[in-house]
Amino acid sequence: EIVLTQSPGTLSLSPGERATLSCRASQSVSRSLGWYQQKPGRAPRLLIYDASTRATGVPARFSGSGSGTDFTLTISSLEPEDFAVYYCQQRSNWPPLTFGGGTKVEIK
Amino acid sequence: QVQLLQSGAEVQKPGASVKVSCKASGYTFTSYAIHWVRQAPGQSLEWMALINAGNGDTKYSQSFQGRVTVTRDTSASTVYMELSSLRSEDTAVYYCARDGAPTVVWGHMDVWGKGTTVTVSS
Repeated sequence: EIVLTQSPGTLSLSPGERATLSCRASQSVSRSLGWYQQKPGRAPRLLIYDASTRATGVPARFSGSGSGTDFTLTISSLEPEDFAVYYCQQRSNWPPLTFGGGTKVEIK
Repeated sequence: QVQLLQSGAEVQKPGASVKVSCKASGYTFTSYAIHWVRQAPGQSLEWMALINAGNGDTKYSQSFQGRVTVTRDTSASTVYMELSSLRSEDTAVYYCARDGAPTVVWGHMDVWGKGTTVTVSS
C-alpha cells in the first residue's frame, strides 16, 4: 500500500499570502496524484489531477507540480474561501486508493 | 446537473450491519464507476470500495477484510454499500463519489455525495 505523507499538518497564513503544501509518497506514483479541498461539514472537491491539471471550474490560483514521490500544491494568493483542509490522493497502484493525512490551511 | 443523493443517517449497534444507498442523476449511470470513501471524526479520508456501474465489477480495500459489499441496481441508478460486523471504529461519514472518467476506471473522484453519517453505539 502506498503511504502519502503531507506536510505541514497546519499552515497559518493571511489572505493574499502564498500557500505551499507538500505531499510525499512512499514509492513512486509517477504523476498519478490528485489534490482535494474539503471545508467543514462538506464533501471533498477535486482540485488537481495528474499532478498538475486543474479540474473543471478550479481557479488558476491553484497549481500542482511534482512527479515520482514529491508533489506540491500551491495557492498563489489565498482568498477567504480557500481556508480549508487539503488532501492528496494517489491512483498509481491500487487497490487501495490512498489519501494523505491532510494539511489544514487556517487564517493567521 | 450531476448529483449523488445518499440515504439518511444511521445508528446501529455493534455487530449489526448497515446499508447505505447512493442514487445518481444527471448522467448516464452505467458509464461511470462509483467509489465509497469514509471519514472518521477528525480523521483523513479512507477508500473502501469501487463498483463499475456498467458491468458490476467491484474492487475492495483489504482493510475491511470482507466486511464490505457494494452492489448496484441499474434500473434505479443506485449503488449500495453494506458494511457488516460493525464496531465503534466504523463510526464515520460515508461518501459515495463518482469516478472522473467514463467507461474506464480512472481513480480520481469528481462528484461526491453529501455523505451519510453512520454511528455505531450500544
